[in-house]
Formats: sequence, structure tokens, C-alpha cells
Amino acid sequence: DAKTTQPTSMDCAEGRAANLPCNHSTISGNEYVYWYRQIHSQGPQYIIHGLKNNETNEMASLIITEDRKSSTLILPHATLRDTAVYYCIVRRGSARQLTFGSGTQLTVLP
Amino acid sequence: DGGITQSPKYLFRKEGQNVTLSCEQNLNHDAMYWYRQDPGQGLRLIYYSQIVNDFQKGDIAEGYSVSREKKESFPLTVTSAQKNPTAFYLCASRRDGNQPQHFGDGTRLSIL
Repeated sequence: DAKTTQPTSMDCAEGRAANLPCNHSTISGNEYVYWYRQIHSQGPQYIIHGLKNNETNEMASLIITEDRKSSTLILPHATLRDTAVYYCIVRRGSARQLTFGSGTQLTVLP
Repeated sequence: DGGITQSPKYLFRKEGQNVTLSCEQNLNHDAMYWYRQDPGQGLRLIYYSQIVNDFQKGDIAEGYSVSREKKESFPLTVTSAQKNPTAFYLCASRRDGNQPQHFGDGTRLSIL
């Protein structure tokens, strides 16, 4: 199973871009990278996912390095409501389960 | 609105008692999942089901049981064999292929 490594915590100023890194050096060629976030006492919210190309949706952008060993989630204009734990996940196994690690606590500061 | 509904939001269990957590989805998703989250921890997989009448154990299945009699429903029973059941329980579902899992708002279980 591909393991992910994320910083424990990060701060970002409101209105600035938040760049959250993730290392997944053992990722397999057919494994996707998924990003979720979780606000305290709520269920995780899906943000974005990708295989090898950069992806963008209404919430965020996902930049995956060419060797696929790392990725960065970008929240272009962070707001206070973006304060949450962000999980970078690599899908594993034939059942396509998600293995959640400890994530990154992002705090957006006013 | 389409989504995943978990009930109840809060649940209390007495020692030696079984309790069942409900999870219903109207997204027409094939696969459903149960996770457990302890304070300050990530999610751990309890059980999952890819089709009706079939399910597999996850990483921490001991003390739990599930059923999948209908596509929309995947209830989780926390049995008295689960010695440390106090946790936040999350249900998820997924359509197929590489589509993402979508989560409910969770049930918080506490022991009286």
C-alpha cells in the first residue's frame, strides 16, 4: 500500500493561497491521489482527485509531480471556513478502500 | 437532495448492550463503507460492501457486524464484544471505478 506523508500543521493568511504538500513516494502507476478535508465533528468532505495530470475544480487545484511521488493541494483564496484537517490519500487495493492518515491541520488566520 | 444519512447523530450504549447505527444513501452507489475515528486520529476501516448481500472485513472488524440487504442501506451493529466502542462512526459510499467516496455526517457513540 502506498503511504502518504503530510505536515502535521500549517497556517495561512486569509485571502492568500494555501499550499498543502503530500509525499507518496511508493505510489503505484494505477493509484489515484485523493484529497479530503474534515471540519471538527463532521464527516470528511471530498475536495479533488487525480492520477497524473493537474486537476482543478471549484474548490481547489491539485498539482501532481511528473514522477507522481508528491502532490500539492492549492486553495487559491483561503477563507476562515477553510480551517480544517486536510487528508491526502492514495487509494489502495482491489476494493478501492481509502486509508486515512493523520492529515494536516490547516488554520486560516484573519 | 441526494446524499448519505446517518442516524442517530448521538448514541449512548450501556455496558453489554448491542447498538445499531443506521446508514442510508440515495445516490445509487454500489459500494458502502464504515469507518471509525478516535479523537485526534485518522479514519480506520471497519467493514465495506461492494454489492448487495456481500461485505468484507476491514482493518478493525472485531466486535462489529454489518448487513447489506438493500443497495441503499448498510447498518452497523456495535456488539458487546467491542470493548472500546466510544468513537465517531462514519459511513461512506462510492459509485464505481475511481470515483471518490462521499461521507455522511457521522454518529458519535458513547458508553454510559
